[in-house]
Amino acid sequence: SQTIHQWPATLVQPVGSPLSLECTVEGTSNPNLYWYRQAAGRGLQLLFYSVGIGQISSEVPQNLSASRPQDRQFILSSKKLLLSDSGFYLCAWRTPLLVEQFFGPGTRLTVL
Amino acid sequence: QQQVKQSPQSLIVQKGGISIINCAYENTAFDYFPWYQQFPGKGPALLIAIRPDVSEKKEGRFTISFNKSAKQFSLHIMDSQPGDSATYFCAASSGGFKTIFGAGTRLFVKA
Repeated sequence: SQTIHQWPATLVQPVGSPLSLECTVEGTSNPNLYWYRQAAGRGLQLLFYSVGIGQISSEVPQNLSASRPQDRQFILSSKKLLLSDSGFYLCAWRTPLLVEQFFGPGTRLTVL
Repeated sequence: QQQVKQSPQSLIVQKGGISIINCAYENTAFDYFPWYQQFPGKGPALLIAIRPDVSEKKEGRFTISFNKSAKQFSLHIMDSQPGDSATYFCAASSGGFKTIFGAGTRLFVKA
């Protein structure tokens, strides 16, 4: 069966510090991968998606970037965090053969 | 046109009652409409989904009603339980590649 992992689960970072969040998927090949951000009490904002290694599409211009160095690994990064980057970051995957999208457990990021 | 509008923002229901959450969309190219359930501090989990060629889908206590002409769909939770207290998101996608989410409804079921 397929599983999706995210780490760390929680993170507290000072303004101006770098960021690296990692997402890995097991049990599937060539998944579509997604990064979402969820502000407190709000909906899901799609940040990036990827259909393959090295292929990244950005939905919203911002202080963040994404990379996909391996088929089942998706990384969200920032060189300098802003207060507004605080939120709950969710990674999701789907197989191109199906429409269902499955979410990871999320990373709670607090920028102080 | 890409939006999915969800209402209400929050909902309080007595145990045993029916919870109803509504969503509306504009893009007629949407062909898949899932509902997700999210508990605090967790990622959303797929609850139930429907395609526009079906007017209703039922899984246990959860039912999706779909009105293609009105471009609306809704989630009904029958016999609502305190364990159903969570945030619910409706969503829509075209071909499954990108999914547009509603703003979410926070449901509280009173014991």
